[in-house]
Amino acid sequence: DTEVTQTPKHLVMGMTNKKSLKCEQHMGHRAMYWYKQKAKKPPELMFVYSYEKLSINESVPSRFSPECPNSSLLNLHLHALQPEDSALYLCASSQDIAGAGQETQYFGPGTRLLVL
Amino acid sequence: EDQVTQSPEALRLQEGESSSLNCSYTVSGLRGLFWYRQDPGKGPEFLFTLYSAGEEKEKERLKATLTKKESFLHITAPKPEDSATYLCAVQGNAGGTSYGKLTFGQGTILTVHP
Repeated sequence: DTEVTQTPKHLVMGMTNKKSLKCEQHMGHRAMYWYKQKAKKPPELMFVYSYEKLSINESVPSRFSPECPNSSLLNLHLHALQPEDSALYLCASSQDIAGAGQETQYFGPGTRLLVL
Repeated sequence: EDQVTQSPEALRLQEGESSSLNCSYTVSGLRGLFWYRQDPGKGPEFLFTLYSAGEEKEKERLKATLTKKESFLHITAPKPEDSATYLCAVQGNAGGTSYGKLTFGQGTILTVHP
């Protein structure tokens, strides 16, 4: 089973709201990722967690705050977003971030976010 | 800096008309090349991982091949349900800060008409 689940599927929020996106995997993977994808563009990496520690932050604005409560869960806390932050937010996981055969990333279905 | 270029940007095929998608890459030490399929509004679905030149992998009507400079995704006798965007990505070996980073191409939009 290579399933990554994300909730909610859709989210509409105002620029003053605080919301959270959730991601879960039960494959025993030790690396988890957040991506942002705009229409007709490839996914753009935001954050990488390895063994529950933040290993990569791709200079993401502080209005996006990631959290990894345990090895199966990944959250993305949203606050004071801008309309240009509207996008499909994707979570992914892999066995590890390094090591032959362990780096393949499996993506969830995404959360469609609209910021008004 | 790792780079991935996919061609063509869009491809329209008739059902049963075989073709290939191209992924050209430059990378400082290839750790892996990945193919994904993405349907509109959904997350990318993993298809293949290739690690070294000469490697080939198959799944149903799809076959992925790898050389030192490019990868091909061959689609044999496609069906309308194969219509999707196909993404190619590479992971390079530039050191610790590159671990976990995929460099994606812009994708090829495939449309298969009945």
